Amino acid sequence: DTAVSQTPKYLVTQMGNDKSIKCEQNLGHDTMYWYKQDSKKFLKIMFSYNNKELIINETVPNRFSPKSPDKAHLNLHINSLELGDSAVYFCASSQEWTNNQPQHFGDGTRLSIL
Amino acid sequence: ILNVEQSPQSLHVQEGDSTNFTCSFPSSNFYALHWYRWETAKSPEALFVMTLNGDEKKKGRISATLNTKEGYSYLYIKGSQPEDSATYLCAVNAGGTSYGKLTFGQGTILTVHP
Repeated sequence: DTAVSQTPKYLVTQMGNDKSIKCEQNLGHDTMYWYKQDSKKFLKIMFSYNNKELIINETVPNRFSPKSPDKAHLNLHINSLELGDSAVYFCASSQEWTNNQPQHFGDGTRLSIL
Repeated sequence: ILNVEQSPQSLHVQEGDSTNFTCSFPSSNFYALHWYRWETAKSPEALFVMTLNGDEKKKGRISATLNTKEGYSYLYIKGSQPEDSATYLCAVNAGGTSYGKLTFGQGTILTVHP
């Protein structure tokens, strides 16, 4: 059983479209994260939710909206996609939000904007 | 902005060699440090989480040390094997207003030649 699963794995779409990426974890963790791997391959935090509450919201365009229907799911919706949104997006989870606990990552979603 | 630097950027070693690499961070901003191993086409996998100055952790042939006073951590691999080839990521949580947020270094790419 995959601990942190993201769908889809690949997403190719046109500029201006709206798309969603889904993430689910079956580890019983309280905290989930979205990261963007930038062009220099750095993993940068975008959002974090703890027990369905938003606790980290980095300087991300408001076209990006995370939604956590329950603590096992954290979805990422992106409106009006732009060329610069092309990247690999990783979901992760941890037992709690104190950062004493390791994070478990999904396999990533490669988003390509045409 | 927290700056986490890893060196070297890449490293080629022969099978059986021991190797080490460094993660540097501002010593004034520290709460926890994570090491992750990231194989190509897979997701990052947690190796260690370290919080205390002088901490040493070990997992098989891989070990890590932490010096929070001078702001660095070393990762050691003893008797490298081809399956150790991966990118090794370091991430730091600075605490304070950044509590709960991990800042990643750019990684050290290790290639072990048979």
